[in-house]
Order: sequence, then structure tokens, then C-alpha cells
Amino acid sequence: SQTIHQWPATLVQPVGSPLSLECTVEGTSNPNLYWYRQAAGRGLQLLFYSVGIGQISSEVPQNLSASRPQDRQFILSSKKLLLSDSGFYLCAWSVQREAFFGQGTRLTVV
Amino acid sequence: RKEVEQDPGPFNVPEGATVAFNCTYSNSASQSFFWYRQDCRKEPKLLMSVYSSGNEDGRFTAQLNRASQYISLLIRDSKLSDSATYLCVYWSGGYQKVTFGTGTKLQVIP
Repeated sequence: SQTIHQWPATLVQPVGSPLSLECTVEGTSNPNLYWYRQAAGRGLQLLFYSVGIGQISSEVPQNLSASRPQDRQFILSSKKLLLSDSGFYLCAWSVQREAFFGQGTRLTVV
Repeated sequence: RKEVEQDPGPFNVPEGATVAFNCTYSNSASQSFFWYRQDCRKEPKLLMSVYSSGNEDGRFTAQLNRASQYISLLIRDSKLSDSATYLCVYWSGGYQKVTFGTGTKLQVIP
């Protein structure tokens, strides 16, 4: 069966520090991978999605970047965090049809 | 026009009531539709797929209207445990991304 691992679950980082969130998927090949952000009380905002290794589509201009170094690994990064980067970050995968989410990382930038 | 539009709510309904949500989508090539549920501070999870002929799962009924480009979710005999955010989702086929609406918040009141 397929599983998705996302870590860490919670993170508190100072403004200006770098960020690296990692997501890995097991039990499937060549999935579409996604990074979403959800600000407090708001809906899901798609940040990046990838249809293959090295292929990244950015949905909104921002302070973040994404990379897919391996088929089932998706990394979200920032060189310098802003206060506005705080939120609930969710990684997801899909192989046609439905998408499945990791348990999310709650990031607080202080 | 947004790809997926949902009324953010909140919908405040008493226990036992029937409540319905609609969701409109702009991509007429969309192939598959879903409703997801997101509990507070948790990741979204698949609630049910939406089939062209309509489908039921217990107290939940989902319908698709391709001509008017909307899907609906009906919840009968609402329970306190139904309180959550309900997200409308579609997939356009092939390697296209899965697209999420921003969700409709439901609060079932005792």
C-alpha cells in the first residue's frame, strides 16, 4: 500500500532562517507531487506541483522553492523565511484521480 | 474565474438537519470529481468520489451536473461529528494536477 511521509510535524523558525521540508512517498511510481500551504482559518493554496523528477510548476510567486531530486521525494525550501511564511504545509501525491496527503508541518516563523 | 469556487461558509446547522454544499468548476474537460473532508488542524482526507449518475454513501449524497459545471454534497441527519471543512476537488485526466477548492466550513450545533 502507498504511504506518504512528511516531517517535521511542527517547526518554529526565526525570521531570516532557511527552511527545508521533506516529503517522501512509498508504494507507488511516478506520482504527481504537490506542496500546499494553509494559513490559519484559510483554504488550501497550491504552491508547487511536479509531474516528474526535476519538473516543478510554481503556482504563486513567493519566497519558497521546491525540488524533486528523486521520483518519490519532494522538498520545499526557503533561503530566508518571512513572518508571512507561517502556516500549515501539506505534501500530497496523486497517480491519476484522487490525491493523498501527508500529515502536514505546522510552521511558525517568529 | 477561479478553477473551483466554493462558498466558504460557515454553515451553522442544528443536529439532525439536512445541509447541501455546491461547488462550481471552470474546466469543462474535468474528468473526475471528489469531496474531501478536513478536520481542524488535520490533513484533508477523501470523503467520496462523485459519479455522473450521482452516488450515496450512508447519509451523504454527491451529484454532478456537467452541463452547469457544478457538483454538490448533501448531508442528511447532520451529526456533531460532521463538523469540518468540505473541499471540492477535480482532476482533468492524464498528468494534470488534482485541483482543490478552498473549502466550505460546516458547524453542526447541538
